[in-house]
Amino acid sequence: AQRVTQPEKLLSVFKGAPVELKCNYSYSGSPELFWYVQYSRQRLQLLLRHISRESIKGFTADLNKGETSFHLKKPFAQEEDSAMYYCALSGRYTGNQFYFGTGTSLTVIP
Amino acid sequence: EAQVTQNPRYLITVTGKKLTVTCSQNMNHEYMSWYRQDPGLGLRQIYYSMNVEVTDKGDVPEGYKVSRKEKRNFPLILESPSPNQTSLYFCASSPGTTSNQPQHFGDGTRLSIL
Repeated sequence: AQRVTQPEKLLSVFKGAPVELKCNYSYSGSPELFWYVQYSRQRLQLLLRHISRESIKGFTADLNKGETSFHLKKPFAQEEDSAMYYCALSGRYTGNQFYFGTGTSLTVIP
Repeated sequence: EAQVTQNPRYLITVTGKKLTVTCSQNMNHEYMSWYRQDPGLGLRQIYYSMNVEVTDKGDVPEGYKVSRKEKRNFPLILESPSPNQTSLYFCASSPGTTSNQPQHFGDGTRLSIL
């Protein structure tokens, strides 16, 4: 079964500190992985996807197939990064379904 | 402006009274989907549609219906709402006929079923 696990419901870091939001997945095949962000009172929006291998707002995420992980990282957290972050999975073997993790609420302390 | 529009944004209603939440997108996207967001459970897919007249169940379809008569619209219907359907609902769309494209989300509809 396809699943996405975000083990941390809440994460607090100080401004300027590195941040890592964990995401592990279970999938038979090559997954499509995404990170979405939801700022307070705003709609969900795409932060990044693994195939584009780009850095958005200083965030990066590397797909590690051996560890089945897609952790989101940023070297220096900013206050405006405080938000809810969701890892999501789809792919050829999900039957066109989209699976989200339970989310991690990140708070950056000034 | 490219967007996904949901209506209403907020609704309080009573058990058993049929309701419809509309969703419209202006990006000519093939794929549309409905999710519910509950604390501690994240987003769960209710129904999705890969194209006009093609719909399929997601993880939590019980108690919901959808239709896709036009490409731009994908309404969510609760024929007989119950309190366990109190939730925050999101509609989303993406290009292509598979789920592997990034999705564009609406602002959400907060439903309270008393």
